Amino acid sequence: AQTVTQSQPEMSVQEAETVTLSCTYDTSESDYYLFWYKQPPSRQMILVIRQEAYKQQNATENRFSVNFQKAAKSFSLKISDSQLGDAAMYFCAYKYNFGNEKLTFGTGTRLTIIP
Amino acid sequence: EAEVAQSPRYKITEKSQAVAFWCDPISGHATLYWYRQILGQGPELLVQFQDESVVDDSQLPKDRFSAERLKGVDSTLKIQPAELGDSAMYLCASSLGTGELFFGEGSRLTVL
Repeated sequence: AQTVTQSQPEMSVQEAETVTLSCTYDTSESDYYLFWYKQPPSRQMILVIRQEAYKQQNATENRFSVNFQKAAKSFSLKISDSQLGDAAMYFCAYKYNFGNEKLTFGTGTRLTIIP
Repeated sequence: EAEVAQSPRYKITEKSQAVAFWCDPISGHATLYWYRQILGQGPELLVQFQDESVVDDSQLPKDRFSAERLKGVDSTLKIQPAELGDSAMYLCASSLGTGELFFGEGSRLTVL
């Protein structure tokens, strides 16, 4: 079974600084997707960024980028120029590219932005 | 912008009572999910529908939980009887099949 591990329960960063959230996963498959989802307090979870395992290039979405290390099964999220609105729970998630579309989530990292 | 609708947002119930949650996915999304999120943990899949059919309910406690998606549109998740350990956020999500899930705001259940 696939597992997703987030070893940082909480992180904090000064506004405008850069922070990196860590995620490792375990799978025997070679074709899969990895995701970072953001869950702000009392609001719905939204997709931040997605990485396809067969793509070597790291995904980037504005201030958000990932460092995808397939051999190491590592998938970290870097947030540049942190803003107050980035404060949220961040979940790393894995999805096998075939069969049903089940997402397996990690336990999350709570990110606090210090003004 | 289309969103996944869930109700109620908050529900407080006593142990052994019945409780139901409703979800209306984004129009056209064939896949619907119910996840349970215990405080401090990541979401755990309870049940997944493809149209009106269940494709994964391996983690659904079937002795007390039931879920249906009549006509392949909206869905209801029921718990009977509720237990203290059921206190959690119940998240509904839908998908077009692209891999991205769209989540509702969730229904927070407190069992006393």
